[in-house]
Formats: sequence, C-alpha cells, structure tokens
Amino acid sequence: GENVEQHPSTLSVQEGDSAVIKCTYSDSASNYFPWYKQELGKRPQLIIDIRSNVGEKKDQRIAVTLNKTAKHFSLHITETQPEDSAVYFCAASWGANNLFFGTGTRLTVIP
Amino acid sequence: DTAVSQTPKYLVTQMGNDKSIKCEQNLGHDTMYWYKQDSKKFLKIMFSYNNKELIINETVPNRFSPKSPDKAHLNLHINSLELGDSAVYFCASSPTQLGAGNTIYFGEGSWLTVV
Repeated sequence: GENVEQHPSTLSVQEGDSAVIKCTYSDSASNYFPWYKQELGKRPQLIIDIRSNVGEKKDQRIAVTLNKTAKHFSLHITETQPEDSAVYFCAASWGANNLFFGTGTRLTVIP
Repeated sequence: DTAVSQTPKYLVTQMGNDKSIKCEQNLGHDTMYWYKQDSKKFLKIMFSYNNKELIINETVPNRFSPKSPDKAHLNLHINSLELGDSAVYFCASSPTQLGAGNTIYFGEGSWLTVV
C-alpha cells in the first residue's frame, strides 16, 4: 500500500501563532489527500481535503497545499486556539476503496 | 442517527479467546473498512470491502476474519486473541470514489483490551 510519512510527531505553539504539519507520500497514483483531526477518546473527523488537480485549498483558518511533483502536502492552521489541540492525521488515496494515514501529529496550543 | 455504528464500544477479554466486533453504516456507502489504532495512535488500514467484496487486506494475520453479509455491514472476528491485539478498532465507510467531500466516515471505535 501507500506509504505516508508525517512530521513533526509533536508540535507545541502559543495561542495565536501558526502551526504547520507536513506529509510526504510514495505512490504517484495517489490523487486524494484529506486531513483528519482526532480529539482525545474520539473518532478521527475530516477537517479539509484536496485533490491532485488543485494546488491549494483554504477554509477559514485552515489551509492545505499540495506539491504533486515533490509528493508532499502540508496543513497550515493560523491564529491557533486551545480547541485546536488534538492529533492531526494526513492521508493519501488512489481515489477508491483505500485511504492510508500518516503517523499523526499531536498539536498542543498553549493559552 | 449514528451514521457508522460499531459494537461493543469496550471489550476486555483474556488471551486465547475469540471475539467479534460488529459494524453497520446507514450512509448508503459501497465501501467499508476496518482500521486499527495502537497505543502510539498509528491508524493502520486492515481491510476494505466494496459491495461485500474484499479489496484490501494489509498483511493482517489470518486470525482476523472480516465478514460482509451486505454492503451496509462489515463485522470483524478475531480468533485466539493475543496481548498485541489490544488497540482501538475503527470501522469506517465511504463512497467508492473518494474526493472533494466524498471521504471516509469513522465509527466511534471499539476499545479492545486483551489481558
């Protein structure tokens, strides 16, 4: 299957600062890249996604960028708030019946 | 209404036992999955099924046997449980084609502890 690497594994930022999480993938056939947020004891939930024909997508304080040539994509959270504290997962898919996750980033926003 | 529901939520059992986790989705999706999340929080795909047919089996020991009686259900049976099987197991579903909001929806997870 696809191999997705994610960095950093932990990230602490001051409230109001920005946070950036980076992922790389191995399979050039991958064309769908979602990001999930998992709060403690809960299920992962989609926060934003991007397809390979788009280089950047933004939704309020969250943005995702994709560099298909380099096979990497990133999540950017601006003006972080304490409620952004969670584990974030990137993922990659060939587009059908599969979704491979990165190793997760534990984000802590310090008030 | 819960979109993807799995039972039981918590399961504590002894080594060597056999146990099952059930999953049902009411989203009309064609694809269902099982993921394992270990203590380090890694989310690993175990299986995916499309319309009851096995699509992905990610080198999971054959002690794990998924069964899909119809496209709305995907159950997981585990034989001869081992300590290393302790984890959270997430069921999930999606449309066949992923993209632009067509993504995977997870159940609440089943916390399995093998003692």
